[in-house]
Amino acid sequence: KQEVTQIPAALSVPEGENLVLNCSFTDSAIYNLQWFRQDPGKGLTSLLLIQSSQREQTSGRLNASLDKSSGRSTLYIAASQPGDSATYLCAVISSNTGKLIFGQGTTLQVKP
Amino acid sequence: GAVVSQHPSWVICKSGTSVKIECRSLDFQATTMFWYRQFPKQSLMLMATSNEGSKATYEQGVEKDKFLINHASLTLSTLTVTSAHPEDSSFYICSARDPGKGSYNEQFFGPGTRLTVL
Repeated sequence: KQEVTQIPAALSVPEGENLVLNCSFTDSAIYNLQWFRQDPGKGLTSLLLIQSSQREQTSGRLNASLDKSSGRSTLYIAASQPGDSATYLCAVISSNTGKLIFGQGTTLQVKP
Repeated sequence: GAVVSQHPSWVICKSGTSVKIECRSLDFQATTMFWYRQFPKQSLMLMATSNEGSKATYEQGVEKDKFLINHASLTLSTLTVTSAHPEDSSFYICSARDPGKGSYNEQFFGPGTRLTVL
């Protein structure tokens, strides 16, 4: 059974810092891995999607990497801003079931 | 493109009543739609998968008679919470998938519906 774990559960940093969020998954049989952002009481915003054959994706200040063999992904946020404060969710689509499995999320607070 | 809407965005109801939540794909045809539930400070949990024109497939532990799902068209799926109780209060999020849209198996998410049962 696929399990997705995110570390840390919460993170507080001063504005301007570069930071890394971690995601691990137990079954390497995945179609893709996706990072989402969720603001309090809101839905999901897709940030980056990495296909299983890819190693990384970049969008602006965000860079996500994927190491399928070790079951790990990282989301790198450069020059963090208070507006980056949110919960970041990692999810994988299992190639066995086709289902999207979410991690518990990392709640990020960027202090001005 | 790939916009998914949900209605209502929030609803408050009395215990014992039924509530219907709509999920629509606005600019594409969704062959498959998914319903997720999210309790406070927890992650999203898949409740069921529905394919247009067929019965939904429910995840283990989700009561199909309590959470009725209808996917009558390629752009609309509905979730009806029957005889709602306070423990059903949650954030319900739908997603939609079209193999011809986005990356393979990519799901596009609605904004969610906050259900509060008094």
